Amino acid sequence: DVKVTQSSRYLVKRTGEKVFLECVQDMDHENMFWYRQDPGLGLRLIYFSYDVKMKEKGDIPEGYSVSREKKERFSLILESASTNQTSMYLCASRGQGRGYGYTFGSGTRLTVV
Amino acid sequence: DQQVKQNSPSLSVQEGRISILNCDYTNSMFDYFLWYKKYPAEGPTFLISISSIKDKNEDGRFTVFLNKSAKHLSLHIVPSQPGDSAVYFCAASLGLNEKLTFGTGTRLTIIP
Repeated sequence: DVKVTQSSRYLVKRTGEKVFLECVQDMDHENMFWYRQDPGLGLRLIYFSYDVKMKEKGDIPEGYSVSREKKERFSLILESASTNQTSMYLCASRGQGRGYGYTFGSGTRLTVV
Repeated sequence: DQQVKQNSPSLSVQEGRISILNCDYTNSMFDYFLWYKKYPAEGPTFLISISSIKDKNEDGRFTVFLNKSAKHLSLHIVPSQPGDSAVYFCAASLGLNEKLTFGTGTRLTIIP
């Protein structure tokens, strides 16, 4: 089974800090995604990447950036954390041609104080 | 602008009865629809899907129905079991390999 690992389950950061959320998948998947989950808003797409060095903005990219230097790793960066970025962050991967088979990580609960 | 909506934030159903979760979408170009299930402290897991060329897809206790004219899909679970208690998200995409747009989620509670 493909595994998607998010480096931290819980994080607490201060306003203004630069925050890195790491995601690693072990099945050589081309596509990787970052979503955030908020009550009443569901899962909203922040950024995604169809291959190494490629990145595309999702629906809510403001305040975030990403890095995909290696196929297995997709990092989400909060340039200057703010309290409205307190959320559950979910990373997912999918192999090319695999249709809708997203595999999600367990999530990182980020609190910005 | 929420393109995929689940209007019921929560639903409680007696064990053994049918659970019906609903989802509406606004973009008529969506042609693949999926349901995901999420337990606390875990990532969502894929449950069942349907292509726009079909109006029904079954997998064991789970059936998804698609009404394209109403831009509505529903997930039926029968019989409902305690392990079905979770948050359910519907999702849609513009093509088989396109990104998913998720709904707002419905928390299903199965009462023993």
